[in-house]
Amino acid sequence: DGGITQSPKYLFRKEGQNVTLSCEQNLNHDAMYWYRQDPGQGLRLIYYSQIVNDFQKGDIAEGYSVSREKKESFPLTVTSAQKNPTAFYLCASREPRGQSQPQHFGDGTRLSIL
Amino acid sequence: DQQVKQNSPSLSVQEGRISILNCDYTNSMFDYFLWYKKYPAEGPTFLISISSIKDKNEDGRFTVFLNKSAKHLSLHIVPSQPGDSAVYFCAATRSQVMNRDDKIIFGKGTRLHILP
Repeated sequence: DGGITQSPKYLFRKEGQNVTLSCEQNLNHDAMYWYRQDPGQGLRLIYYSQIVNDFQKGDIAEGYSVSREKKESFPLTVTSAQKNPTAFYLCASREPRGQSQPQHFGDGTRLSIL
Repeated sequence: DQQVKQNSPSLSVQEGRISILNCDYTNSMFDYFLWYKKYPAEGPTFLISISSIKDKNEDGRFTVFLNKSAKHLSLHIVPSQPGDSAVYFCAATRSQVMNRDDKIIFGKGTRLHILP
């Protein structure tokens, strides 16, 4: 059964701590994305990756970092530089650009500050 | 600068009636549009899409209409059912992108309440 798995579902961060959110997909999609959702806001793009070993900043990349060492994995690190990290984080993937295809989303990780 | 706008934060509709959710966009380069449905604490699920070469696409109870001259699209749900209560996101992108810029731009969402 193909899909996107995000873990953990809930995550707590202490002040000054980096935390990493996991995103794994078995859909064989080239492109992967990280979004942040805040109350009353839409989905804001943090980082995206078209292909392994390549990624681009989205609209709100400051305080975040990513890696794309494997096609199926796109972890997001929320660094201590991100001063307001409490949000719902969503990972997505889709077929390569040039094809009119929707994104498929994981079920999200809710990050809170202790 | 919001490129995709959903101006109604919420909408209440009687069960069995038609729900109409609206979306406006500003970038004339967008040529592929999508609607997603989202329940609390879950990821969005894809509902229906439309390419700019069409003005209507239908899938069961869901129909999306595109008015390119007005840069406006709408999602019609008929008849509305209790399970349709959710947040609906409109999204837009350029399907034929030849560079590394492959973003899908989302609106802020409309919360639909189906009333019994």
